[in-house]
Amino acid sequence: EIPMTQSPATLSVSPGERATLSCRASQSVGTNLAWYQQKPGQAPSLLIYGASTRATGLPGRFSGSGSGTEFTLTISSLQSEDSAVYYCQQYNNWYSFGQGTKLEIK
Amino acid sequence: EVHLVQSGAEVKEPGESLRISCKGSGYSFTNYWIRWVRQVPGKGLEWMGRINPSDSSSDYSPSFRGHVTISVDKSINTAYLQWSSLEASDTAMYYCSSPQFYGSAADYWGQGTLVTVSS
Repeated sequence: EIPMTQSPATLSVSPGERATLSCRASQSVGTNLAWYQQKPGQAPSLLIYGASTRATGLPGRFSGSGSGTEFTLTISSLQSEDSAVYYCQQYNNWYSFGQGTKLEIK
Repeated sequence: EVHLVQSGAEVKEPGESLRISCKGSGYSFTNYWIRWVRQVPGKGLEWMGRINPSDSSSDYSPSFRGHVTISVDKSINTAYLQWSSLEASDTAMYYCSSPQFYGSAADYWGQGTLVTVSS
């Protein structure tokens, strides 16, 4: 398995501002990286795959970037409904998830 | 519309066996792998293993290999996750998912099955 590390563990941002979440792989995963959003009591929901491709129906204010071992999820113009835990996941070698970043909207 | 529907919550005692299910609909079930993901209450997501419904080939995370068995019955579009002897540490929510990134730009998830193991 490929360990994935996310930072920060918790992020608190005001509405309308931008949030930047980071994910690092212990070895290169190319662009085989996805981001998920999970709200309390719900299953995870795919946001980004291929490191930068938005899932069907995802608003344009969500964007992903990176390759190799360093990846970023950026959420611009934050809204209250963006409050959730965000996970990165590599799928280059089976699957492995990061430990998650909890995003709080002030 | 694609759906993955999981079986209901279970309460079991340590040492008991259990099989939970995940039924797919709205897509060609044999075209995409089904995976199982564990989430201990208040914790993160852990990949357990996956199965190819077309030929029943499977892979397991080293963390779960030997403790669970993943199977499939493609005639009824259903995948299974099975334990022969549950432990209290198996208490968790279990999700099935069908990643279809390059087919539908989506990853479809079941609603989750809560398994509680307690004496």
